[in-house]
Amino acid sequence: EAQVTQNPRYLITVTGKKLTVTCSQNMNHEYMSWYRQDPGLGLRQIYYSMNVEVTDKGDVPEGYKVSRKEKRNFPLILESPSPNQTSLYFCASSFGPGSNQPQHFGDGTRLSIL
Amino acid sequence: AQKITQTQPGMFVQEKEAVTLDCTYDTSDPSYGLFWYKQPSSGEMIFLIYQGSYDQQNATEGRYSLNFQKARKSANLVISASQLGDSAMYFCAMREVAGRRALTFGSGTRLQVQP
Repeated sequence: EAQVTQNPRYLITVTGKKLTVTCSQNMNHEYMSWYRQDPGLGLRQIYYSMNVEVTDKGDVPEGYKVSRKEKRNFPLILESPSPNQTSLYFCASSFGPGSNQPQHFGDGTRLSIL
Repeated sequence: AQKITQTQPGMFVQEKEAVTLDCTYDTSDPSYGLFWYKQPSSGEMIFLIYQGSYDQQNATEGRYSLNFQKARKSANLVISASQLGDSAMYFCAMREVAGRRALTFGSGTRLQVQP
């Protein structure tokens, strides 16, 4: 089954404790992206990747890191999480960056930073 | 300026009736794509339908159709024969050719289908 898989689905942690949210897709997609969804602010892009070893900042990259060492994986790293990073996070992927390519989303990761 | 505007924070519809969710957009890019996503209360984002800026015909996918009026810059979602399972948040989104190729989302419309 074609899918984008995020882990964990839920995480409660404390300020400053490094964490990684994994994202994997099995559709051989080139383009991958991370979004965060916050009430009143909608979905905003954090980072994106056009292909392996090619990553760049989105709208709200501060406090996050990413890597794209393999085509299928695009982990999101919070080196020193803070409470303002409490949010619902989505990983998404598409065949390419073209405007006709729908992005397929993972099921989301709810992060709570205390 | 808002790139995607959804003016209906909430909508009610009776089961089996049709409903239209409004979306207007703003872009200077001649090539762009318009998408609708559904977000049930469980939180996942489900892709529903796509319309390209150069498409001559309105897109349809099962009970979903997109009423695309390019001159008005509108891309309304029509759901026919509403079902209880259609109750969810619906997001209109745009993807432009230029720049980061991100999806730009509207603020969403919460649809509630009543029996």
